[in-house]
Amino acid sequence: DTGVSQDPRHKITKRGQNVTFRCDPISEHNRLYWYRQTLGQGPEFLTYFQNEAQLEKSRLLSDRFSAERPKGSFSTLEIQRTEQGDSAMYLCASIPTEPLTNEQFFGPGTRLTVL
Amino acid sequence: GEDVEQSLFLSVREGDSSVINCTYTDSSSTYLYWYKQEPGAGLQLLTYIFSNMDMKQDQRLTVLLNKKDKHLSLRIADTQTGDSAIYFCVGGYNKLIFGAGTRLAVHP
Repeated sequence: DTGVSQDPRHKITKRGQNVTFRCDPISEHNRLYWYRQTLGQGPEFLTYFQNEAQLEKSRLLSDRFSAERPKGSFSTLEIQRTEQGDSAMYLCASIPTEPLTNEQFFGPGTRLTVL
Repeated sequence: GEDVEQSLFLSVREGDSSVINCTYTDSSSTYLYWYKQEPGAGLQLLTYIFSNMDMKQDQRLTVLLNKKDKHLSLRIADTQTGDSAIYFCVGGYNKLIFGAGTRLAVHP
C-alpha cells in the first residue's frame, strides 16, 4: 500500500453513461497524475496537476474526459458518454513536492468496464 | 515521439538469473526506472538508475544502462517464484513513459 487511494476499485457501466473516479494522493504530495492502462499494455499518461493547476493533458484525453483537483488535494476524473473503448484501468499517482528521484507512487487503480 | 520497447515474455527456472531488456528513445530522462506489477496489486517501483550511471546493484537486482545504445536491462539473480510479475521499463522526465511490460514466469 503506497498511501494513494482510489475509489471505486471497480466500475461497470453501460455505454453512454457518465462515470467519475476519485483519487486521494499522499497528503504532502503536490503533483498528481492520471494514467490509463489497457489490457496487455503499459500505463499511458493522461494528465497531471501541480496543486490545483492542470499543467498538461495528453491527446488521449478527448473532450469527453475532464479532470479536476479543486483544492489541490484529491482529484476526480470524469468520463462523459462512455464508450466501450474507454474500458481500462485508470491509475492515479502522486509525487512529493521536492522529489529525490521523481518516483511516482501509484494507487491500486479503478477498473472500468463499459458494456 | 518518446517510446520504450521491451520483450513481452520471459520464462526462467527457479534459482536461475532473469534478464529483462529494454530500449528507449527519450534522451531527456534524468532517471530510468523498473516498475513491478503483480496481479491485483498496484504498480511498485522496483529500482531506478540515474542517467549518468552505467550500473546499479541493489541486492538481487542489477541494472545496466548503455546510454549510447539507449539500452537498459534488469537482472534478477536467484529468481524466485515470488518474482513472477510484469516488469515495466520506464523513462520520461515528468510524465512517465512505460514499455508494454515483460511478463516473467518462474517455474520450478
